[in-house]
Amino acid sequence: DAGVIQSPRHEVTEMGQEVTLRCKPISGHNSLFWYRQTMMRGLELLIYFNNNVPIDDSGMPEDRFSAKMPNASFSTLKIQPSEPRDSAVYFCASSGWPGELFFGEGSRLTVL
Amino acid sequence: AQSVSQHNHHVILSEAASLELGCNYSYGGTVNLFWYVQYPGQHLQLLLKYFSGDPLVKGIKGFEAEFIKSKFSFNLRKPSVQWSDTAEYFCAAARNTGNQFYFGTGTSLTVIP
Repeated sequence: DAGVIQSPRHEVTEMGQEVTLRCKPISGHNSLFWYRQTMMRGLELLIYFNNNVPIDDSGMPEDRFSAKMPNASFSTLKIQPSEPRDSAVYFCASSGWPGELFFGEGSRLTVL
Repeated sequence: AQSVSQHNHHVILSEAASLELGCNYSYGGTVNLFWYVQYPGQHLQLLLKYFSGDPLVKGIKGFEAEFIKSKFSFNLRKPSVQWSDTAEYFCAAARNTGNQFYFGTGTSLTVIP
């Protein structure tokens, strides 16, 4: 089992640039979650999908953030335009039901 | 609103001391409960989980947790901590009728050799 796969692991970009983070959930899992983690705000749920459908996106900070799940094996989180305050570690996690969350290793984003 | 509360934000212990981290959840229905650990610079990993059955759950690395329904609690324990237990610990709850997970704010544990 390959686990949840995220890419890129590290990204450094300049303010105003578009950032796309990618996630491949564990095969067979029907729920996918995007989290953001910072020292100041801790672990925050941004959005989650059930069966590729967004269920709760109330954690998405603003319109600059968007997430898609075009199929059961792939999801993206896009930030456009990026800002320095978006710097964080972004985790993707997946789950079967009922079951626990399996986290990817995270994408560390630095916006200069 | 559903929520998970972790009362200890920072805990510092000496090696071999006993550990108990508090966790309370607010949902009154059936819930699944979890403890995750995040070692420095790593992702969250599952320590243990409770779905049903014996309320005393044993996890990896000598950790255990007890589900007390009347107190809406799921405290994490370890009889003797090691320096390698230094990490952030998160309690989480998920409703049994859906797949929405709620995380506590985390407890930072530092174990002094």
